[in-house]
Amino acid sequence: KAGVTQTPRYLIKTRGQQVTLSCSPISGHRSVSWYQQTPGQGLQFLFEYFSETQRNKGNFPGRFSGRQFSNSRSEMNVSTLELGDSALYLCASSFGQITYEQYFGPGTRLTVT
Amino acid sequence: AQKVTQAQTEISVVEKEDVTLDCVYETRDTTYYLFWYKQPPSGELVFLIRRNSFDEQNEISGRYSWNFQKSTSSFNFTITASQVVDSAVYFCALSEARNAGNMLTFGGGTRLMVKP
Repeated sequence: KAGVTQTPRYLIKTRGQQVTLSCSPISGHRSVSWYQQTPGQGLQFLFEYFSETQRNKGNFPGRFSGRQFSNSRSEMNVSTLELGDSALYLCASSFGQITYEQYFGPGTRLTVT
Repeated sequence: AQKVTQAQTEISVVEKEDVTLDCVYETRDTTYYLFWYKQPPSGELVFLIRRNSFDEQNEISGRYSWNFQKSTSSFNFTITASQVVDSAVYFCALSEARNAGNMLTFGGGTRLMVKP
């Protein structure tokens, strides 16, 4: 079974631009979560989708948004990029609805200049 | 609010030594789950274990073992006879059932370096 895939793997953007990251979960998994990892703040939860509905949202500004499609694939969007948005963005998928183990993708390394 | 603390930011051991990674958590939920993940240099988080709050039995998987103690709110991870391939950052995480989802709260991580 293929793992979680994320595209692109690396991205360089300029301040003020917007970016869209994509995540394809493991086949059969309907829950997709997004996390931001930075050296200063560590791993922080962004949001989670299950069956196209956002179930939980972390403490991030409205510039961070996401969606999930009917095939469970998910995208996250960051508008008006700031230097502090430079991070590794990790996507995770899970089979179950609540507190199941999550399987992570390799991440997208976003650099904002 | 939930919180996970990994007090050891970095540990260095010599191959074949045993090493224990500490994890202390805070939660007001009575039903919760604890996890350990490994993040090798490649960056991808690898799932190691999931335990629920009602199961305090210790678990052993090969060279890995976990000790869950609700009385001290700890979920420690021990690697026996460490190997160079164990070098990675290890994260402990908590998920509360009342969040009705799979949201994880991570600790800050412990970087383990195993020297040959």
